[in-house]
Amino acid sequence: QQQVKQSPQSLIVQKGGIPIINCAYENTAFDYFPWYQQFPGKGPALLIAIRPDVSEKKEGRFTISFNKSAKQFSLHIMDSQPGDSATYFCAAETSGSRLTFGEGTQLTVNP
Amino acid sequence: KAGVTQTPRYLIKTRGQQVTLSCSPISGHRSVSWYQQTPGQGLQFLFEYFSETQRNKGNFPGRFSGRQFSNSRSEMNVSTLELGDSALYLCASSRGIRSYNEQFFGPGTRLTVL
Repeated sequence: QQQVKQSPQSLIVQKGGIPIINCAYENTAFDYFPWYQQFPGKGPALLIAIRPDVSEKKEGRFTISFNKSAKQFSLHIMDSQPGDSATYFCAAETSGSRLTFGEGTQLTVNP
Repeated sequence: KAGVTQTPRYLIKTRGQQVTLSCSPISGHRSVSWYQQTPGQGLQFLFEYFSETQRNKGNFPGRFSGRQFSNSRSEMNVSTLELGDSALYLCASSRGIRSYNEQFFGPGTRLTVL
């Protein structure tokens, strides 16, 4: 029940495309859903996060869509750039507990 | 403001040995969490410390232990190393323990067990 399922495992898009990464969870106690971006040789860095009381959040080219009834959330990257090529992790947390991460999606944006 | 620092960055050990990894959180951060990252298992939570007390622990054997000092610096120790312990060990710090506190990750320590 603590798992977060992430798909796809890998994704290749052309520059300017809109990659979409999906995550699903079971534990309805989760109340914080961050996305992390990780470049090779670096630790993950927080990209954007959402709470379950909103259905969408935008920060720059990154958008989280949240469907509480379906227990799903997704990351959209608008106008993707080669510099966005990285591994993306979704995660979920309950207050006072630790982050449960998805399996990760390796995104490649071709020039 | 300096980020989370981890030492050493790379480590090679042999089976049966023990290892100690160190993490210095961002100044003012009192919570430190440790994660193990492997290609097969992804990012898995090890433990979390706040004010020198372990608050949460993941599903790892007792060979994995940690501690936090009064200056919030943290160490984790792995005893009797096994080949499967080869991984990137990440430390993350945050201001507090409540939800929504952003966790800032260090670059990790790459442990290779031969």
